[in-house]
Amino acid sequence: AQTVTQSQPEMSVQEAETVTLSCTYDTSESDYYLFWYKQPPSRQMILVIRQEAYKQQNATENRFSVNFQKAAKSFSLKISDSQLGDAAMYFCAYRIVNYQLIWGAGTKLIIKP
Amino acid sequence: GAGVSQSPRYKVTKRGQDVTLRCDPISSHATLYWYQQALGQGPEFLTYFNYEAQPDKSGLPSDRFSAERPEGSISTLTIQRTEQRDSAMYRCASSLGNSGRAGDTQYFGPGTRLTVL
Repeated sequence: AQTVTQSQPEMSVQEAETVTLSCTYDTSESDYYLFWYKQPPSRQMILVIRQEAYKQQNATENRFSVNFQKAAKSFSLKISDSQLGDAAMYFCAYRIVNYQLIWGAGTKLIIKP
Repeated sequence: GAGVSQSPRYKVTKRGQDVTLRCDPISSHATLYWYQQALGQGPEFLTYFNYEAQPDKSGLPSDRFSAERPEGSISTLTIQRTEQRDSAMYRCASSLGNSGRAGDTQYFGPGTRLTVL
């Protein structure tokens, strides 16, 4: 079975500092994609960053970057220079070519001013 | 449209009633997905459409749940004889591709929060 695990139900960070959210997944597939989505209090679901499993280079989007360790099946999200607007639930998700996104349970990120 | 829209945003119904939720995907997006998200959890896949075809219904919890996309654009999700355990956020997403490419980004609507009393 394919699963996604986010072991941190909640994380807090001081504004302007860096925080890393962890995600591990279990799969026997070799070709897949990984995503981080952000769900702010408005409960919208917003794509933050994505990673192709066949690419060794870690994806980066402005202050957001990932540490993708394929052998370890780990896909952590690093947020640099945290801002108050980053406060949200963050979901890690995994997808192969059968369309389904498999989701983790989420990590609630709190930003302390 | 500019983004995925869903209606209603909130729905309160009594146990045993039928409800229909609507999703309007991004225009030109071939693929449309429905997810169910319980409070404090990640979304769970329900079903998806490739244009009007519905290749996968495996996530629908029971035969009380059905979905349609008759013209390959707007989709509806219907829950018959609602039960309290159906209370959740129902999310719709759409993506551009129609070939099952895993890398296609799914764009989510704001969701419909369903409460069954």
